[in-house]
Order: sequence, then C-alpha cells, then structure tokens
Amino acid sequence: NAGVMQNPRHLVRRRGQEARLRCSPMKGHSHVYWYRQLPEEGLKFMVYLQKENIIDESGMPKERFSAEFPKEGPSILRIQQVVRGDSAAYFCASSPQVVSEQYFGPGTRLTVT
Amino acid sequence: EDKVVQSPLSLVVHEGDTVTLNCSYEVTNFRSLLWYKQEKKAPTFLFMLTSSGIEKKSGRLSSILDKKELFSILNITATQTGDSAVYLCAVEAGSGGSNYKLTFGKGTLLTVNP
Repeated sequence: NAGVMQNPRHLVRRRGQEARLRCSPMKGHSHVYWYRQLPEEGLKFMVYLQKENIIDESGMPKERFSAEFPKEGPSILRIQQVVRGDSAAYFCASSPQVVSEQYFGPGTRLTVT
Repeated sequence: EDKVVQSPLSLVVHEGDTVTLNCSYEVTNFRSLLWYKQEKKAPTFLFMLTSSGIEKKSGRLSSILDKKELFSILNITATQTGDSAVYLCAVEAGSGGSNYKLTFGKGTLLTVNP
C-alpha cells in the first residue's frame, strides 16, 4: 500500500508566478489535510478537504491560496502570485476517517526567488 | 488559541542512552495527542494517545499521556544513531465537526552520536 504521494518534491518559482502542489492520499483514504512548515516553525494547519468538498479552510491565507480535491485525481494546493514569504515546506496528510491518525506525505519544498 | 510546547528543543546523547521528550499543551476540547518522527521527509506516525495513564509501547519507544496535568512524554531507551530525528508532538482538538485539526509543537531535535 503506497503511502501519501506528493509532487513535485522541490519547486522553485519566481515572485509573481503560480505554484501548484499535488497530493495523492493513501489508498482508501478520503480525507486530505494540508499543512505548511515555515523555517524554525512547527507545522501549521491550512485546509481540510474531502472529495469535492472543502470542509475547513480556516488556516489558509485569504488571498492567493486555494485548494481542491476533485472527484478524480489528486488534491491540488494552488498559490497564485507567489511571494518570498511563501517559501516553506508544504505537507499533505490523509486519513481513512475524520477521527483517525493522519499519515503524511514527503512534502513539497517551495522556494520563491 | 491552541498551544503545544515541546522541550527540550534539541538534545544530543550517546548511543545506548535513554531519553525523555516532553510535550505540554493548552487546547480547547482535547481529543488526542499524537507523536511523529520526522527525518528528512515525511513525519512518520508513532503513537496516538487518548486516555490518561495508559502507556503505549513500540519496541524501544514508549509514550504516556497525563490529561490532568496536560502533558505527554516520549521515552526512547537504548538509543541508536537511527533514532536521530525531529520528534513532533501534535494535539487534535476541537468541537463538533472540527476535531481533526492537528496543532503541532516545534519539535525536539534529537541527535544520537555513536
């Protein structure tokens, strides 16, 4: 059973470009969570999704950030017009049920130059 | 705001030593406490604790939760160099449908020297 997959593992973008981060949950998991880890900081919750639904996006910046989890395909975290402060590691986690341990992917390290 | 504090922030030991990592929390509507090990990539799940006083054990690792004093410890006995990692503590809390958010501490960086 493959674990949570994320790609790309490393992404470099210039200021103003768009970044798209992908996450495929573990087989059988329908709950997806995105977290951001800034340098010297702990992981911070961003958004929780189920298939075709955003359940809670209270941790997402109000502008430039969006997330989706379509019926088919991976979950996507999209950052428009990236700025240097967006540089961080973005982790995706999945769980089989909402009240269950979350399993993490390897993360995407975004660098904005 | 929910808060999770881990100590120490970093620790250097020799192989064979025993270490204790601490995690204290202040959250509303506690559900569970989780420990993860993070090496260079994905945090790897170690334990999920929901009840006070019941030790969870996996090989040389063990953990216990005290819901009265709001803390947990993670013990590693007979440490090995492969135990070197950042150990993350996270608390799941919330009411109604929001009891899925994990609030993480900053982690303890453990270095085990040969």
